[in-house]
Amino acid sequence: KQEVTQIPAALSVPEGENLVLNCSFTDSAIYNLQWFRQDPGKGLTSLLLIQSSQREQTSGRLNASLDKSSGRSTLYIAASQPGDSATYLCAVYTGGYQKVTFGIGTKLQVIP
Amino acid sequence: EAGVTQSPTHLIKTRGQQATLRCSPISGHTSVYWYQQALGLGLQFLLWYDEGEERNRGNFPPRFSGRQFPNYSSELNVNALELEDSALYLCASSPGARDEKLFFGSGTQLSVL
Repeated sequence: KQEVTQIPAALSVPEGENLVLNCSFTDSAIYNLQWFRQDPGKGLTSLLLIQSSQREQTSGRLNASLDKSSGRSTLYIAASQPGDSATYLCAVYTGGYQKVTFGIGTKLQVIP
Repeated sequence: EAGVTQSPTHLIKTRGQQATLRCSPISGHTSVYWYQQALGLGLQFLLWYDEGEERNRGNFPPRFSGRQFPNYSSELNVNALELEDSALYLCASSPGARDEKLFFGSGTQLSVL
């Protein structure tokens, strides 16, 4: 059974700082991994999707990496802004037919 | 292009009642997924529909049920509501059934009093 862990559970940083969020998974036989952002009481917004054959994906100030062999993914946020404050979740897709396991998330607070 | 839409945004019910939640996927998407997110917990998979059929269900009691209509919209029904059913219910859609990117709606906040 796939298990997804996100560390840290919460993170508070001053504005402008670069930061890394971590996601680890127990079963390395994944199809892809997706990072989401969730604002309080809201739905999930997709940030980046990394296919299993890829090592990283970039979108603006965000960079996500994937190391299947070690069961890890990182989300790097450059030059953090108060608007980045949210909970960040990773979702791991294993097996066929959309078997998706979510982590509990990292709650990020960027202080002005 | 419209995203995934869910209604209602908020729903307040009392214990023992029934709740119906609705989801319209992105145009062209055939797969719809339902998740429960209780306060402080991760997303728990509820149900997956594709092409009008239930393809998979999570570890929830039978009083959680749903269906997918010919236009691919979906309905989640929760019977005999219990206090612990209070949660944010999220719907997601994807273009097909195989490991494709999920697009989420804004959710329905269900409160059971």
